[in-house]
Amino acid sequence: KNQVEQSPQSLIILEGKNCTLQCNYTVSPFSNLRWYKQDTGRGPVSLTIMTFSENTKSNGRYTATLDADTKQSSLHITASQLSDSASYICVVSPLGGSARQLTFGSGTQLTVLP
Amino acid sequence: EAGVAQSPRYKIIEKRQSVAFWCNPISGHATLYWYQQILGQGPKLLIQFQNNGVVDDSQLPKDRFSAERLKGVDSTLKIQPAKLEDSAVYLCASSSTRGTNRTYEQYFGPGTRLTVT
Repeated sequence: KNQVEQSPQSLIILEGKNCTLQCNYTVSPFSNLRWYKQDTGRGPVSLTIMTFSENTKSNGRYTATLDADTKQSSLHITASQLSDSASYICVVSPLGGSARQLTFGSGTQLTVLP
Repeated sequence: EAGVAQSPRYKIIEKRQSVAFWCNPISGHATLYWYQQILGQGPKLLIQFQNNGVVDDSQLPKDRFSAERLKGVDSTLKIQPAKLEDSAVYLCASSSTRGTNRTYEQYFGPGTRLTVT
């Protein structure tokens, strides 16, 4: 069964600090992995997308890494801001799969305190 | 460009009542999705439309849930009768293709938070 596990479940950091969120998956064969940011009361918004051949991708202060061999991804947030407080969801697509086969993680709830 | 619109944003109903949600996708997006997101979990696909046809409704509880997209643009999702376990956020998303694996990104609306008491 395809699974995506994220850790930690929740994280509290001080403004200006860096943090790293983890995503482990069992989806195989693998096509691509996305990180979404979901603000409270809002829909998820895509931050990055990586295919199996990509190791790292940045979007401003967000940097995602992917190790397709170990089936692990991380999302690193640099110099956190209060607006980074949100749930971060990892989503993995199987090769040749449909939307139903997208596997969503449960998310990491990040809280940035002043 | 305008994003995916959903209404209402919040709804509270009693069990066994009916409720309907509305979604207006991004203009030109042929594919529309409805997801159910239970608190603390990732979204779960309920139904996928391509224009006005259903591509996948295998995870839609058809005894109580129904959805339509008559003119290939707006869509409605209905629950009748509602159960306590239907309390969740219902997200609508759209994409410009069939949403294949590679890069055809889904754009999500703000969701409708349903509470069934």
